[in-house]
Amino acid sequence: NAGVMQNPRHLVRRRGQEARLRCSPMKGHSHVYWYRQLPEEGLKFMVYLQKENIIDESGMPKERFSAEFPKEGPSILRIQQVVRGDSAAYFCASSPPTGMVSYEQYFGPGTRLTVT
Amino acid sequence: GESVGLHLPTLSVQEGDNSIINCAYSNSASDYFIWYKQESGKGPQFIIDIRSNMDKRQGQRVTVLLNKTVKHLSLQIAATQPGDSAVYFCAENVGGATNKLIFGTGTLLAVQP
Repeated sequence: NAGVMQNPRHLVRRRGQEARLRCSPMKGHSHVYWYRQLPEEGLKFMVYLQKENIIDESGMPKERFSAEFPKEGPSILRIQQVVRGDSAAYFCASSPPTGMVSYEQYFGPGTRLTVT
Repeated sequence: GESVGLHLPTLSVQEGDNSIINCAYSNSASDYFIWYKQESGKGPQFIIDIRSNMDKRQGQRVTVLLNKTVKHLSLQIAATQPGDSAVYFCAENVGGATNKLIFGTGTLLAVQP
């Protein structure tokens, strides 16, 4: 069984460019979460999505950041006009549909974004 | 505000000893807690979880203790091995519709051979 998949694993962008991060949840999982991790810090929640719906985006910056989880295909985290402060590791997690026994979220390997 | 914090940023133990990693949380409404292990360059890996209606749960070589009175969580690792060296995070799920996790800052566990 494939776990949560993220690509690319490493992404380098110049200031002002756009970054697109992709996440494919585990098979059978319909809930996706994005977290950001700065060096030597814990993960910070950004957004929680179900298919075609944003459930909670309370952790998303108001500008330049957007996320989607279309009916078909992976979830996308999009950062427009990147700045150096966006450099971080971005992790995606997925969980089964609600009603399952566990709230456990399974994490992908992350995308490390470097803005030069 | 919401926060989950760890008392010890770094813990160094001898191989074979038991390790205890502590965590304080602040949200009384949290109903589910998870410990994750993160190795360098990798994503968090689930270790063990516990619901708020329990005070102890055991896994293979790991035990999680929950003290709701003082809002404290701990992870005990028995017979610590070099492969246990990693950063350990506690996380709380505040429940409700959001299902988001709030992570602590992490504790680095260094196992000395």
